[in-house]
Amino acid sequence: GEDVEQSLFLSVREGDSSVINCTYTDSSSTYLYWYKQEPGAGLQLLTYIFSNMDMKQDQRLTVLLNKKDKHLSLRIADTQTGDSAIYFCAEILTGGGNKLTFGTGTQLKVEL
Amino acid sequence: GAGVSQSPSNKVTEKGKDVELRCDPISGHTALYWYRQSLGQGLEFLIYFQGNSAPDKSGLPSDRFSAERTGGSVSTLTIQRTQQEDSAVYLCASSLMPSGRLWTGELFFGEGSRLTVL
Repeated sequence: GEDVEQSLFLSVREGDSSVINCTYTDSSSTYLYWYKQEPGAGLQLLTYIFSNMDMKQDQRLTVLLNKKDKHLSLRIADTQTGDSAIYFCAEILTGGGNKLTFGTGTQLKVEL
Repeated sequence: GAGVSQSPSNKVTEKGKDVELRCDPISGHTALYWYRQSLGQGLEFLIYFQGNSAPDKSGLPSDRFSAERTGGSVSTLTIQRTQQEDSAVYLCASSLMPSGRLWTGELFFGEGSRLTVL
């Protein structure tokens, strides 16, 4: 199957870390992505990780991949109000062409 | 323009009418995607065009939905005999597929066309 699941909402205080989780059911995924959608805007690529990696760090962002559990997470350090958005994980399947399958999205709300 | 442009940004129509949604991709991008975003449903893949290859239509929900891409650039998504369940934001994205190099999977999205069917 190609289901990608995320929790719908996450609320954190400014300055805390945010962890957004994603689970997928198809173990043949090759690349996994995190996209960000700000209010009224299209999606924008934040970061991606190859399926043969288990961690990737990019400034305040840390991506962790657990292939055994089919679990992907995005950690945002020192969360700011500007990080408030919807975050989507996405995957490309082996043999799936160049089609990205997106999760349901997690709405992150950062409170002062 | 520099980004992906979609029109109209908002469309309200009556049930049973046909609608056309337009997408202008980034110049030179060979791949073009249509997704549908409904509340709580995430992004649903509709159709994908890549160069001169036959499009991947596997995500179109019914035969009321069709899309074309003229001259490898502008794309139009057509919904015939609209139903209330077609109400959603329709997102277009484009990407450059480099030949001989690794594709990072970065899609460039437009701001979407919000369709409301009354």
